[in-house]
Amino acid sequence: QSALTQPRSVSGSPGQSVTISCTGTSSDVGGYNYVSWYQQHPGKAPKLMIYDVSKRPSGVPDRFSGSKSGNTASLTISGLQAEDEADYYCCSYADSSFYVFGTGTKVTVL
Amino acid sequence: EVQLVESGGGLVQPGGSLRLSCAASGFTFSSYWMSWVRQAPGKGLEWVANIKQDGSEEYYVDSVKGRFTISRDNARNSLYLQMNSLRAEDTAVYYCARQEVAFVYWGQGTLVTVSS
Repeated sequence: QSALTQPRSVSGSPGQSVTISCTGTSSDVGGYNYVSWYQQHPGKAPKLMIYDVSKRPSGVPDRFSGSKSGNTASLTISGLQAEDEADYYCCSYADSSFYVFGTGTKVTVL
Repeated sequence: EVQLVESGGGLVQPGGSLRLSCAASGFTFSSYWMSWVRQAPGKGLEWVANIKQDGSEEYYVDSVKGRFTISRDNARNSLYLQMNSLRAEDTAVYYCARQEVAFVYWGQGTLVTVSS
């Protein structure tokens, strides 16, 4: 039940793209297509941005996209906007009905 | 509109107990798995426990196993987390979340502080 590994921070200028990686194992990220991504602004509850690796809930801009290769999932934010500045967490379903979150990444819009 | 409202947080001494509640509305509560997720101050999210629709299955993160118990009352549309033998490292905001393949809906959280 170790946390998934994310970079502590990424940054980009408005309009640029940033990608956040999320590395796990074959028991979580690599074993299931149940990776989700959450955006969290300070003092707020997390908000689902991506589920099932690459699906977007209704209302989430198509600037947000997800993918997976092996034990690593990725979230890409294209056309970065000021309101995208937040913390982002990946999450994966894991063996034995557990869930494991990533360590979190702070996205800074320069 | 889906709403999840947590309550029951507060200050408790190490070794003490606390019971959190989550009141659900706007959806058929008995049709969904439910989870508790916590976030220590300035730290990341940690999944704590979940429970099946009818309460017949429960799962816990290792760090709370044997100390925390998740339960639900479908007649009252409520989710609970009984926390015993609390430690300083349990200090966190505790969120309840509706669990599908992802956590789609979250409450606003309730703060639990374990300190003497």
